Amino acid sequence: DTEVTQTPKHLVMGMTNKKSLKCEQHMGHRAMYWYKQKAKKPPELMFVYSYEKLSINESVPSRFSPECPNSSLLNLHLHALQPEDSALYLCASSQDTGNVYYGYTFGSGTRLTVV
Amino acid sequence: DQQVKQNSPSLSVQEGRISILNCDYTNSMFDYFLWYKKYPAEGPTFLISISSIKDKNEDGRFTVFLNKSAKHLSLHIVPSQPGDSAVYFCAARSGGSNYKLTFGKGTLLTVNP
Repeated sequence: DTEVTQTPKHLVMGMTNKKSLKCEQHMGHRAMYWYKQKAKKPPELMFVYSYEKLSINESVPSRFSPECPNSSLLNLHLHALQPEDSALYLCASSQDTGNVYYGYTFGSGTRLTVV
Repeated sequence: DQQVKQNSPSLSVQEGRISILNCDYTNSMFDYFLWYKKYPAEGPTFLISISSIKDKNEDGRFTVFLNKSAKHLSLHIVPSQPGDSAVYFCAARSGGSNYKLTFGKGTLLTVNP
């Protein structure tokens, strides 16, 4: 299995809703990442997990809450989002944070719309 | 401040010819550079990487060149194929203990049959 699987593919949520994005990989990778991509912009790093511990938080607002229950799973819990949070949310994994010769493997993303 | 720059928003080439995608960076602490391809509604797909201690890496039709003194790298695709039409992102990895990838804005490559 050489894929990163993200669910759901599309999500529409109201500003008072609570929802979660899920990411799963079975490549034995020990680093996992959340990126946010707005239209016609590059992906921007949000969080890095290394060996199931949060190692980087790029000053992301607390309405985004990451969770890494085990080495294969990464969640992003969403609460009280704003319309400007609408974007493509990408999950990625790599062997570990130090080894990027083979790059990060990205999922197809969750297209989030906040109404 | 944009640390990774792809100054050409788009590039159009004929099938079978060479595609050259360029990327400039400003941060001397970047220790790894990567190229990704992205189709609409999909996540980025890794193509090739190069360490800052190398000046060339080759994988099939893809070759990446790094000029550290000029803080410039380029991706060569030879021969170009219509299926290569996509947005190409250059990315750079910060070294030290704060590993993170910084992406450029991307270049839309169109390969015409």
